[in-house]
Amino acid sequence: NAGVTQTPKFRVLKTGQSMTLLCAQDMNHEYMYWYRQDPGMGLRLIHYSVGEGTTAKGEVPDGYNVSRLKKQNFLLGLESAAPSQTSVYFCASSQGDRAYYGYTFGSGTRLTVV
Amino acid sequence: AQTVTQSQPEMSVQEAETVTLSCTYDTSENNYYLFWYKQPPSRQMILVIRQEAYKQQNATENRFSVNFQKAAKSFSLKISDSQLGDTAMYFCASVNSGGSNYKLTFGKGTLLTVNP
Repeated sequence: NAGVTQTPKFRVLKTGQSMTLLCAQDMNHEYMYWYRQDPGMGLRLIHYSVGEGTTAKGEVPDGYNVSRLKKQNFLLGLESAAPSQTSVYFCASSQGDRAYYGYTFGSGTRLTVV
Repeated sequence: AQTVTQSQPEMSVQEAETVTLSCTYDTSENNYYLFWYKQPPSRQMILVIRQEAYKQQNATENRFSVNFQKAAKSFSLKISDSQLGDTAMYFCASVNSGGSNYKLTFGKGTLLTVNP
């Protein structure tokens, strides 16, 4: 009963480096989401997906790309990391209107860009 | 677009006392759902309580209850008999029903500290 698994849990990047955050869920959920959490800002939606092969922009998409090639995986990419992308990143998933009972969240990835 | 506002960045309460966290929201939809999430130092997001907008009865879950005022667009969380383990960041969130993406909108959070 893994639920939503995020890898890695921690990462330090240098400015300009690239990386990919992986989110994997084993609940056969259609919907997946990437949020970032910053002090005093709450959680803000970066990108989301309503099904395999689909992606859409959220509130703060600039500087990020995503892919959902397989239903169970949702990847968040940073092509050229900037210090402003230092944050805690959360992945979440839901199954249609089961979202009205709340999301299933991963445990987060703390990313520091120096 | 939905907005969720939490006006109290930080609060503190003595163990065993009662505390209320405030949340207001704005939506043009008639039907929606509201949530309170707890985030302890472990960083895990834990659903505390949820409320369906078309239900007038306030939701309760053990020591946690809400005061849902639909006309005022207010959704406060009351924690009774506060315990040290309630120390956490609390987020209010909303989602409109009837949409196609089920996006949750979060407030900025309230850091609650329970003092012994």
